[in-house]
Amino acid sequence: QKEVEQNSGPLSVPEGAIASLNCTYSDRGSQSFFWYRQYSGKSPELIMFIYSNGDKEDGRFTAQLNKASQYVSLLIRDSQPSDSATYLCAAGTGTASKLTFGTGTRLQVTL
Amino acid sequence: EPEVTQTPSHQVTQMGQEVILRCVPISNHLYFYWYRQILGQKVEFLVSFYNNEISEKSEIFDDQFSVERPDGSNFTLKIRSTKLEDSAMYFCASSEGGGVRGEQFFGPGTRLTVL
Repeated sequence: QKEVEQNSGPLSVPEGAIASLNCTYSDRGSQSFFWYRQYSGKSPELIMFIYSNGDKEDGRFTAQLNKASQYVSLLIRDSQPSDSATYLCAAGTGTASKLTFGTGTRLQVTL
Repeated sequence: EPEVTQTPSHQVTQMGQEVILRCVPISNHLYFYWYRQILGQKVEFLVSFYNNEISEKSEIFDDQFSVERPDGSNFTLKIRSTKLEDSAMYFCASSEGGGVRGEQFFGPGTRLTVL
């Protein structure tokens, strides 16, 4: 069974702090990795994707990939209350990139 | 900004009835997907579609499910005989490419309730 594992949380961080979200995957054939944000009752919203080992930065977000450890992370700098949501990690395999999702980590940014 | 749209936003149906969920992918995208999310559970892949044929499907996507691209803009998911356990949010997604560059953008979803 190919799995993507995330801590369900909640992860609570104060406003302005760095939030660190982690994800591991079991399928070594996974080629691309995605972070989505999902507000309650809404659809997943793409934040970042990464497919090479190392770091990728986009504004306040940094994705990190370590294929040897089968580990993906997302750092959110200067966390805002509007960042409070569930963050979904997904691994893509195959040409048409079927995505396997984790259960998500709920992030709470407190004032 | 282009986005994926889905209709209806909420569909209520009786068990055993057929439903068709509709999606309009982003216009220059070539790959199309359906996912579902049962309340409180993870997002699950159903099917991917490229070049007018199914690329991959999951175990969930059995003979009761079918997909179609009836014209140049719409992408549909049909469930022939709905069951109670089909109640879920159904998300359509599309991507410009596949493989490592296949960023998938999701539509707002259709909430299907089977009574």
